[in-house]
Amino acid sequence: DTGVSQNPRHKITKRGQNVTFRCDPISEHNRLYWYRQTLGQGPEFLTYFQNEAQLEKSRLLSDRFSAERPKGSFSTLEIQRTEQGDSAMYLCANVQGPGNTIYFGEGSWLTVV
Amino acid sequence: AQTVTQSQPEMSVQEAETVTLSCTYDTSESNYYLFWYKQPPSRQMILVIRQEAYKQQNATENRFSVNFQKAAKSFSLKISDSQLGDTAMYFCAPRYCGTSYGKLTFGQGTILTVHP
Repeated sequence: DTGVSQNPRHKITKRGQNVTFRCDPISEHNRLYWYRQTLGQGPEFLTYFQNEAQLEKSRLLSDRFSAERPKGSFSTLEIQRTEQGDSAMYLCANVQGPGNTIYFGEGSWLTVV
Repeated sequence: AQTVTQSQPEMSVQEAETVTLSCTYDTSESNYYLFWYKQPPSRQMILVIRQEAYKQQNATENRFSVNFQKAAKSFSLKISDSQLGDTAMYFCAPRYCGTSYGKLTFGQGTILTVHP
């Protein structure tokens, strides 16, 4: 258990629909990251929060994507008007413990049909 | 751009033997951490080992150890006494503490298969 909970774990949606993923880190460490991973590839950085402030966004995060962390604890990632290319696993991670180690949640699988 | 190269797309090893996975990275930063993560078929990203760049001593964690060569920007992972449960995709990931908000940059991964 990494102390980072994500839901839903799996989501199948039709193209054009909106989806939202949630990340709940047990630790209230102030740094939280979202990554996207497609099959056979390493995770790619999407966005970073320090407390409730979104400090960095990757160019992968098109205008159909929005992420929030309203109270500096849990975070949501919303994808509007989903496309088949959005099919991937979306990983949330936060910083815990000595050495500022990054721990990942179990991920949320998205399949767009 | 900060790049990470894992030159071995796939590796295989017999159970109980030793295997080394290679990783090189490119950065001009001086303050950073290096991580190896494993991702088994369950897709959970699991921390294997961590190395602080300012430390000369190579990190070890039970059967896992690293060979960190800072000047060469090389960070290889050695797995001793390989077990079937080590079968997974392994990712090398530096974490730079300067201008990148400490995000991880992942390599392409190495698929390791341990055979009985």
